[in-house]
Amino acid sequence: GQNIDQPTEMTATEGAIVQINCTYQTSGFNGLFWYQQHAGEAPTFLSYNVLDGLEEKGRFSSFLSRSKGYSYLLLKELQMKDSASYLCAVMDSNYQLIWGAGTKLIIKP
Amino acid sequence: IAGITQAPTSQILAAGRRMTLRCTQDMRHNAMYWYRQDLGLGLRLIHYSNTAGTTGKGEVPDGYSVSRANTDDFPLTLASAVPSQTSVYFCASSDSADGGGGYGYTFGSGTRLTVV
Repeated sequence: GQNIDQPTEMTATEGAIVQINCTYQTSGFNGLFWYQQHAGEAPTFLSYNVLDGLEEKGRFSSFLSRSKGYSYLLLKELQMKDSASYLCAVMDSNYQLIWGAGTKLIIKP
Repeated sequence: IAGITQAPTSQILAAGRRMTLRCTQDMRHNAMYWYRQDLGLGLRLIHYSNTAGTTGKGEVPDGYSVSRANTDDFPLTLASAVPSQTSVYFCASSDSADGGGGYGYTFGSGTRLTVV
């Protein structure tokens, strides 16, 4: 079966760095997405990786290793507004998105 | 309208009733999707449409139907609601079925449905 694993919850301190990991087993691979979802709101697109390596976008970076079935989202200089759930999703060989359950990130002052 | 509009925002529905959740986008995206989101589970695909006039079944299609008469609208119908259909429903769209070349999906703000 297809599976996306990510930690259920993480806690970090304002101003610090946090890394959210995602491992996947899917039928084929056509890209990996990270989304941010604030409580009660819709998911919003953060990043896309299709080749191995690191993609940087301001305070957020996303890394992919296809051979290991592994990705991480790195958030730097954490702000209180970064408190949200972070969803990892992989596009399989049929171009269907398979979603992880999300990681709830709690930021403490 | 900017992006995707879903209606209603929330609804309490008696079991056995029929209900249509509305979704309209103004981005001229070809592909549209309906997901449900339940606590502790990832988003699960109900139905999708790669282009106007075509639809397909996702992971959890039972009890739901969709239509795609034009590019902009993608309504989701619950023929006879059951309590297990209590969930938050998100409509999403992308420029193409491959996720829009890395631009991902755009989501509506969701419909919170409670079936009692």
